[in-house]
Amino acid sequence: NAGVTQTPKFQVLKTGQSMTLQCAQDMNHNSMYWYRQDPGMGLRLIYYSASEGTTDKGEVPNGYNVSRLNKREFSLRLESAAPSQTSVYFCASSIGQGGETQYFGPGTRLLVL
Amino acid sequence: GNSVTQMEGPVTLSEEAFLTINCTYTATGYPSLFWYVQYPGEGLQLLLKATKADDKGSNKGFEATYRKETTSFHLEKGSVQVSDSAVYFCALTPYSGSARQLTFGSGTQLTVLP
Repeated sequence: NAGVTQTPKFQVLKTGQSMTLQCAQDMNHNSMYWYRQDPGMGLRLIYYSASEGTTDKGEVPNGYNVSRLNKREFSLRLESAAPSQTSVYFCASSIGQGGETQYFGPGTRLLVL
Repeated sequence: GNSVTQMEGPVTLSEEAFLTINCTYTATGYPSLFWYVQYPGEGLQLLLKATKADDKGSNKGFEATYRKETTSFHLEKGSVQVSDSAVYFCALTPYSGSARQLTFGSGTQLTVLP
């Protein structure tokens, strides 16, 4: 039982490049989330998916897109990376339908030059 | 909107000292409250939670009580260990909704010295 997995662990991009962060969970959870973590700011929600086939914006969605590929997988795409997107990105999942405990992946550290 | 304010760090304690990390929140209705812990280089792990007023969450010697009257959820431990060194996040989710979005505080870095 791997829980929530994320790839890659670390990535360096140049400004304007694109990339997709991958996230998968094996807990049969309905809801999935993407957060970014910046120093002194805690974690902020980028996008979430309440259930398969739905996605919604969180607090800081600009510059990102997401895809809920199936129940297990939820990807985050940066179409044109900017230095302001340098951060650590965490994926999380929860059972949904009112279940509130979220389980986090190990994170992806992204550096945009 | 919802918000969480927690004690700024860093906090440095000696082993076996008493720990308190303050957390207060602003939210409508009756949110659920959480403490998450992040060890160096890792993701966040749920430490404890409380879902209604006067509930006490506890785990690994840590405790926090949901105080509706003071909108607080302070984290305490009677005797910290070096292995407790980590960043601690207070968070809340709203009372209802199919996807319970977490709102986090800014985190408190704890270092415990031997």
